[in-house]
Amino acid sequence: AQSVTQLGSHVSVSEGALVLLRCNYSSSVPPYLFWYVQYPNQGLQLLLKYTSAATLVKGINGFEAEFKKSETSFHLTKPSAHMSDAAEYFCAVSPSGAGSYQLTFGKGTKLSVIP
Amino acid sequence: DVKVTQSSRYLVKRTGEKVFLECVQDMDHENMFWYRQDPGLGLRLIYFSYDVKMKEKGDIPEGYSVSREKKERFSLILESASTNQTSMYLCASKNYDGEDNSYEQYFGPGTRLTVT
Repeated sequence: AQSVTQLGSHVSVSEGALVLLRCNYSSSVPPYLFWYVQYPNQGLQLLLKYTSAATLVKGINGFEAEFKKSETSFHLTKPSAHMSDAAEYFCAVSPSGAGSYQLTFGKGTKLSVIP
Repeated sequence: DVKVTQSSRYLVKRTGEKVFLECVQDMDHENMFWYRQDPGLGLRLIYFSYDVKMKEKGDIPEGYSVSREKKERFSLILESASTNQTSMYLCASKNYDGEDNSYEQYFGPGTRLTVT
């Protein structure tokens, strides 16, 4: 069984400030972890993924996330927010391995960027 | 670039109608998925297909069925639409990344279905 908890359904940051979106997971087997972004009226786009190699993962648009097994966390960060980062972000977990079909999503965090 | 397209961006149907949502991918992926997305609930898996004519129920299959006659096309069917099926429906297909034995799901733009 697996699940994802995203802390905070809405997060607001000022332009230029640090972005921190929290994700905690629960998995009975070694997980793969993903962050997706959804811009208004669009589908989801993969930001980055953890697949048991490096624990610090760099993604697109300056985002990165760190896998911390002891804390069962995979928080998403970006040093300096841009207006274009305003979107909804989803954390997801699956059992490790390419054969897995089940990707379980969190409920999402909507990020607002204040000018 | 992988492309996943969905037949309609917006759809309005009446209660009791049979509704077809179509999804096409152009990358020869074997696995395809249908999710529904509701505010505060995230994405929930309705059905997935791991090959032509093969399908598996996801977490919320009740009231839905699917069809996969060709590899590139995966259809979601609402046999008798109800108002509680008003939602955003997202289709995805999945590739295999041989570099790290992982995968990525690619999503279509979504169909916002309203049932009145």
